[in-house]
Amino acid sequence: SAVISQKPSRDICQRGTSLTIQCQVDSQVTMMFWYRQQPGQSLTLIATANQGSEATYESGFVIDKFPISRPNLTFSTLTVSNMSPEDSSIYLCSVEDRGRGGIGKTQYFGPGTRLLVL
Amino acid sequence: AQKITQTQPGMFVQEKEAVTLDCTYDTSDQSYGLFWYKQPSSGEMIFLIYQGSYDEQNATEGRYSLNFQKARKSANLVISASQLGDSAMYFCAMREGRGGSQGNLIFGKGTKLSVKP
Repeated sequence: SAVISQKPSRDICQRGTSLTIQCQVDSQVTMMFWYRQQPGQSLTLIATANQGSEATYESGFVIDKFPISRPNLTFSTLTVSNMSPEDSSIYLCSVEDRGRGGIGKTQYFGPGTRLLVL
Repeated sequence: AQKITQTQPGMFVQEKEAVTLDCTYDTSDQSYGLFWYKQPSSGEMIFLIYQGSYDEQNATEGRYSLNFQKARKSANLVISASQLGDSAMYFCAMREGRGGSQGNLIFGKGTKLSVKP
């Protein structure tokens, strides 16, 4: 299975600042995904990041607020810009993997980045 | 309407007993996948088991099995021989659409499982 690491694991930030979260995978993957989990809530997809193209954002998420980079097949970054306390969440990156039976049958998550905005 | 419904906000189970976590889903697609994840207090999302809509047999992975009832649109997770380390949030999720790589998992609200010694 894919091994995914994220940096930082947690951070406390002041409102109005920005934080860039890094996601590294130990194998090449076509698509990487960024999710947000607000306190006590379930996970919501922010965007899908393909190497060599613009990220695709879900409804309610915009590039100016959550710019994403995908410079190669093993790495991606998500920036949370101009932060407010409402951005306090766990941010997780995720990749599909060729699990038993073929691609699309497993999807793994990184350990997450816990963000607290004061 | 919710796509994934987990009706049990919290569950208790005695150590070594089996427990069933409920999940119902709503989709008009013929091809879809169903996933279960475990999220301990550390926050990581641990993949447990996958069931494809065309899979004829229920998925099993060690102590985890998925009771897939397609006509009822339910995909309940069964954990056998519960252990203290099973205490965590459990999320049911669905990926709609034909083929594999869409990546957009739709999650339920989760069930908090507590295993009692």
